Amino acid sequence: GAVVSQHPSWVICKSGTSVKIECRSLDFQATTMFWYRQFPKQSLMLMATSNEGSKATYEQGVEKDKFLINHASLTLSTLTVTSAHPEDSSFYICSAPRGSYEQYFGPGTRLTVT
Amino acid sequence: QKEVEQNSGPLSVPEGAIASLNCTYSDRGSQSFFWYRQYSGKSPELIMSIYSNGDKEDGRFTAQLNKASQYVSLLIRDSQPSDSATYLCAVNGGGNNRLAFGKGNQVVVIP
Repeated sequence: GAVVSQHPSWVICKSGTSVKIECRSLDFQATTMFWYRQFPKQSLMLMATSNEGSKATYEQGVEKDKFLINHASLTLSTLTVTSAHPEDSSFYICSAPRGSYEQYFGPGTRLTVT
Repeated sequence: QKEVEQNSGPLSVPEGAIASLNCTYSDRGSQSFFWYRQYSGKSPELIMSIYSNGDKEDGRFTAQLNKASQYVSLLIRDSQPSDSATYLCAVNGGGNNRLAFGKGNQVVVIP
């Protein structure tokens, strides 16, 4: 069964509003989680590393003030897309490592900004 | 910068045949290697992990690792139409569990 969940699975919002996406590890604790974005027919793009108890680490070119990440607990990380614009429409996926190595992905959240 | 290369274009295989996917990586210190399957519109699903040189078999899937050549491969035996997907090679150099992904190989199994 699924080991990482995401909520919501899809969301439509108006331009200028903010959207929060939750990522939960279901039966294990994750001090680190990862957030990816994927545009249609393109590769996964790592946006940031979410760290429990410390600030997130953002990849080059990702606006930290626009994509707010909070690792609220050992099983929950949230990504908030602030002041969303149509170009932010994408498939957002989180992942979490279980144990030392294997990393599992959530089912993803499809965001559409109108 | 860690790089993972999957150079082959889309792979079409007849049902029942073997699909072979290849991946090379640049960081010689990499410790863990993974294959993910991603169906269109879905998130990646872990199908194989391999950590030491040699072969690892799981059902119809076999992963092969050669650290000296910095090469990892995936074989899919008795390919089924349900195997039609994009397959992502991922490599972990250790430490923070951050994965480096290849761009993926699309596999199409023709009934």
